[in-house]
Amino acid sequence: QPVVTQSPSASASLGASVKLTCTLSSGYSSDAIAWHQQLPEQGPRYLMRVNSDGRHTKGDGIPDRFSGSSSGAERYLIISRLQSGDEADYYCQAWGTDTGVFGGGTKLTVL
Amino acid sequence: EVHLVESGGGLVKPGGSLRLSCAASGFTFSNYAVNWVRQAPGQGLEWVASINSVSTAIYYADSLKGRFTISRDNAKNSLYLQMNSLRAEDTAVYYCARESCDNIRCYGVDDHWGQGTLVTVSS
Repeated sequence: QPVVTQSPSASASLGASVKLTCTLSSGYSSDAIAWHQQLPEQGPRYLMRVNSDGRHTKGDGIPDRFSGSSSGAERYLIISRLQSGDEADYYCQAWGTDTGVFGGGTKLTVL
Repeated sequence: EVHLVESGGGLVKPGGSLRLSCAASGFTFSNYAVNWVRQAPGQGLEWVASINSVSTAIYYADSLKGRFTISRDNAKNSLYLQMNSLRAEDTAVYYCARESCDNIRCYGVDDHWGQGTLVTVSS
């Protein structure tokens, strides 16, 4: 089954950009992943699916400040013009052979 | 608009059972695989189980096999999770989620979530 690796934390300044990384284990580098945002005390919210070719499909109402890209086994979530409301946990999700998996999440702090 | 609404959570004693439900609306339920995902207090998201659109492909997290059963009723636009032999470590918010698909294929990951239902296993 795939292993999905995320850095546990990230930080960036208000108004700046940040790039979060999700790394797929060997053998799964061609797979699509999904990014989900979880604000404090709320349920997860789908942000986008990122395919291996970098195409991304965003959920309804997701601002243009959020985008995705891909390079090899890495899938990225890029948030530009950071706002205080972007401070949240961000999870990467993948699907392997008959099993789902989530990364451990990245806690984003907006300074 | 896609809606997923979980119900059935509550307080249950260790060793007890509980059946969660997820009511779907706003899309053709019978065309999509659906999943259960849980989140223990202060922890990350954990995939629990998946079922395809016609119930012919069912998968579970290894740690849950034999205790949890996922099922669906397409006529009722509903997803279920039967949880038996519950343990304290099963305490979590349980979410149902719909698989992400486009015109070409489905991807195994989710693109819509319910609001969750809390299951507490405690004596």
